[in-house]
Amino acid sequence: GNSVTQMEGPVTLSEEAFLTINCTYTATGYPSLFWYVQYPGEGLQLLLKATKADDKGSNKGFEATYRKETTSFHLEKGSVQVSDSAVYFCALISGAGSYQLTFGKGTKLSVIP
Amino acid sequence: NAGVTQTPKFQVLKTGQSMTLQCAQDMNHEYMSWYRQDPGMGLRLIHYSVGAGITDQGEVPNGYNVSRSTTEDFPLRLLSAAPSQTSVYFCASSSTGGNMYEQYFGPGTRLTVT
Repeated sequence: GNSVTQMEGPVTLSEEAFLTINCTYTATGYPSLFWYVQYPGEGLQLLLKATKADDKGSNKGFEATYRKETTSFHLEKGSVQVSDSAVYFCALISGAGSYQLTFGKGTKLSVIP
Repeated sequence: NAGVTQTPKFQVLKTGQSMTLQCAQDMNHEYMSWYRQDPGMGLRLIHYSVGAGITDQGEVPNGYNVSRSTTEDFPLRLLSAAPSQTSVYFCASSSTGGNMYEQYFGPGTRLTVT
């Protein structure tokens, strides 16, 4: 079956530090990959996505590249801000005609001034 | 444009009680789904629907029922609540065409079963 493994948290960084959150996956076929973000007290929002190998998704300074050879989709940001404090979820959809997301367990990021 | 709305925001139930969590969307999305979020577990799919009159089970369907009589609404029913159903519940929707991979989530319902 499908599964997503992401680095354990919580992660605490100082403002302007570099962020990496690792994500690897197991899936049948060629999945589409996503990063969702959940701000405190809110639902999840799509942060970025990539639908085929070597695609790079980007949004709000965050980037992730779909690496088929390493089955990875690591999230990066060059300079984090306090407002980036949230829980980040890696997820995938796999299978023709499927809309079902499989999520990782989430990584909580806290950015301190 | 309200997006995906969920009611109530918070609910406390006693073991054995029943209730319905409401979910509605105003984006004319065909696909709707329910997830539960538990600490250290991520989100797990409970039930989903690809259109009015069509529902199917996800990863953790036991103890929950759904129906989809309209495109807009997708209620989740707990027939006899158990403490193991204490969780935060999220409803999501997406189109099944075009930008089909963007799923929109509601703000969640925090349920406690005592």
